[in-house]
Amino acid sequence: QSVLTQPPSASGTPGQRVTISCSGSSSIIGSNYVFWYQQLPGTAPKLLIYKNNQRPSGVPDRFSGSKSGTSASLAISGLRSEDEAVYYCATWGGSLGWVFGGGTKLTVL
Amino acid sequence: EVQLVESGGGLVQPGGSLRLSCAASGFTFSSYWMHWVRQAPGKGLVWVARINSDGAIDRDGTTTRYADSVKGRFTISRDNAKNTLHLQMNSLRVEDTAVYYCVRDREWVLGDYWGQGTLVTVSS
Repeated sequence: QSVLTQPPSASGTPGQRVTISCSGSSSIIGSNYVFWYQQLPGTAPKLLIYKNNQRPSGVPDRFSGSKSGTSASLAISGLRSEDEAVYYCATWGGSLGWVFGGGTKLTVL
Repeated sequence: EVQLVESGGGLVQPGGSLRLSCAASGFTFSSYWMHWVRQAPGKGLVWVARINSDGAIDRDGTTTRYADSVKGRFTISRDNAKNTLHLQMNSLRVEDTAVYYCVRDREWVLGDYWGQGTLVTVSS
């Protein structure tokens, strides 16, 4: 059981906007930055969002992150077939070290 | 171009040992904190260990951190002269079976670069 809770699955049609949530305790998410990673099938994870809402260079602005209280969200607008992947949230868990959510498998219908 | 290339994975019996390596290039290796993150087959990501950059010491005087599940069995180390990160894994258990990723940390940004991973299988 993960310290950060994500829905196991999400779906959308091309062009749609989808959001993936990540919730945790006030001592973890509430006190630290949230990060998001995208893992395409058969590949290593890739950093998608850092420090709640910052995009690394090369990540399209269709991807955005936000955080409020003990929850964070990843939003993907203008959904494309190549966005089909597993998405993970993560944060610094103090004595636990870095903690990840269980991952959300996004299906593009 | 930043590259992280893991090696050393393979099949090992329960109770055995294995040493993973990660060859880094394209950046000043000694200046970055580094991590190992693992992923069991069909499962999610799990952080394993961290080592500080050269000269960086935590408040408790340590330079490494471990997940509770590997504490006392795994040792993370680095050879800055050879730009290489290591993970010595002892007393391996079946539940340690996973792909192990070498991950760079850029000032508390975990994973701006990831290696391709190396598979460790613990089985009799």
